[in-house]
Amino acid sequence: KQEVTQIPAALSVPEGENLVLNCSFTDSAIYNLQWFRQDPGKGLTSLLLIQSSQREQTSGRLNASLDKSSGRSTLYIAASQPGDSATYLCAVNERYDYKLSFGAGTTVTVRA
Amino acid sequence: DAMVIQNPRYQVTQFGKPVTLSCSQTLNHNVMYWYQQKSSQAPKLLFHYYDKDFNNEADTPDNFQSRRPNTSFCFLDIRSPGLGDAAMYLCATSRDGGSSSTDTQYFGPGTRLTVL
Repeated sequence: KQEVTQIPAALSVPEGENLVLNCSFTDSAIYNLQWFRQDPGKGLTSLLLIQSSQREQTSGRLNASLDKSSGRSTLYIAASQPGDSATYLCAVNERYDYKLSFGAGTTVTVRA
Repeated sequence: DAMVIQNPRYQVTQFGKPVTLSCSQTLNHNVMYWYQQKSSQAPKLLFHYYDKDFNNEADTPDNFQSRRPNTSFCFLDIRSPGLGDAAMYLCATSRDGGSSSTDTQYFGPGTRLTVL
């Protein structure tokens, strides 16, 4: 069974600092990996999707890398802003499986 | 434009009183999912529909049921809510359930269920 772990559970940084969020998974036979953002009391918004054949994906200040062989992904957020404060979850999609396996998330606070 | 809509956003029910949560989508996606998310935990998949084909997760309690009368709507029925069922319930859709490596899930805003 796929296990997805995100460490740390919470992170607080001053505005302007770069953020590094980690995700690890136990079974490398994945189809893709996604990063989601969740604001308090809200649903999830997809940020980036990395296919298993890709090494990284970028969108604006966000960059996500994938090392399938070691079972790791990292989300980088450059020049953090208070509006980046949220919980970030990673999820893996296993081949021919309709469901995502989620990590519990890292809650980020960016201090002004 | 809202794509995945959940109603109500907040639901309060009494212990043992049946409750129904609603989800609708304007994306015309084939797959609809129901997740349960408790505080500071990962979303837990309860079940999903691929079109009319219902797929229950092995550890989903019998207390939870679902209906999908058409492509656009899906309902979550909790027959006898217990205190442990208080959570955020998230509905999501995807075009083809991950059969394409670029397929992603689109989430609704969630329904916060409180059980008194």
